[in-house]
Amino acid sequence: GEDVEQSLFLSVREGDSSVINCTYTDSSSTYLYWYKQEPGAGLQLLTYIFSNMDMKQDQRLTVLLNKKDKHLSLRIADTQTGDSAIYFCALGTGRRALTFGSGTRLQVQP
Amino acid sequence: DAGITQSPRHKVTETGTPVTLRCHQTENHRYMYWYRQDPGHGLRLIHYSYGVKDTDKGEVSDGYSVSRSKTEDFLLTLESATSSQTSVYFCAISQGSNTGELFFGEGSRLTVL
Repeated sequence: GEDVEQSLFLSVREGDSSVINCTYTDSSSTYLYWYKQEPGAGLQLLTYIFSNMDMKQDQRLTVLLNKKDKHLSLRIADTQTGDSAIYFCALGTGRRALTFGSGTRLQVQP
Repeated sequence: DAGITQSPRHKVTETGTPVTLRCHQTENHRYMYWYRQDPGHGLRLIHYSYGVKDTDKGEVSDGYSVSRSKTEDFLLTLESATSSQTSVYFCAISQGSNTGELFFGEGSRLTVL
């Protein structure tokens, strides 16, 4: 099956940029997603990118996809304390269940 | 708001007892999923459903069963709970769009003593 890996923890200072990385093994995914989970809550979809795209920007969020290296990243510009959460990457083919990474806990220090 | 309600939100039970978690949706979507979340493992798929009485197993289905007798309800049952099933359980729905994103409920925290 699909293996999706993320580093467990990232700490940044408020106002800096955060980059959260994700690597995967199966190149058949059609869509790649980023979800955010705040404490005690469900997962909230942040953004997604279609597999034929290299980059997608949505306000403070930039998603980069390197299909050759099977690497997905999420950049958060001007990181705020409200961005502190767990971030999950997920992969899917558009018609089936998604496969999730283990999540990266982002800590934003004031 | 995808109109997903999970119940109960918190439950403590003893090893060997049966437990049923309920996922209720208000928007008539066909596709529903149960995941469990554990530290270091992210979310892992337990079972999913593509419609009434149409269910299938995910990667961690042992010890779990599901039922979907109505479009709006997807039930997850632990016939005899074990401590390894202590977890947070999330229900998700897909709106059936080509982009395939899932929308999640708030989760049900289950502790098996």
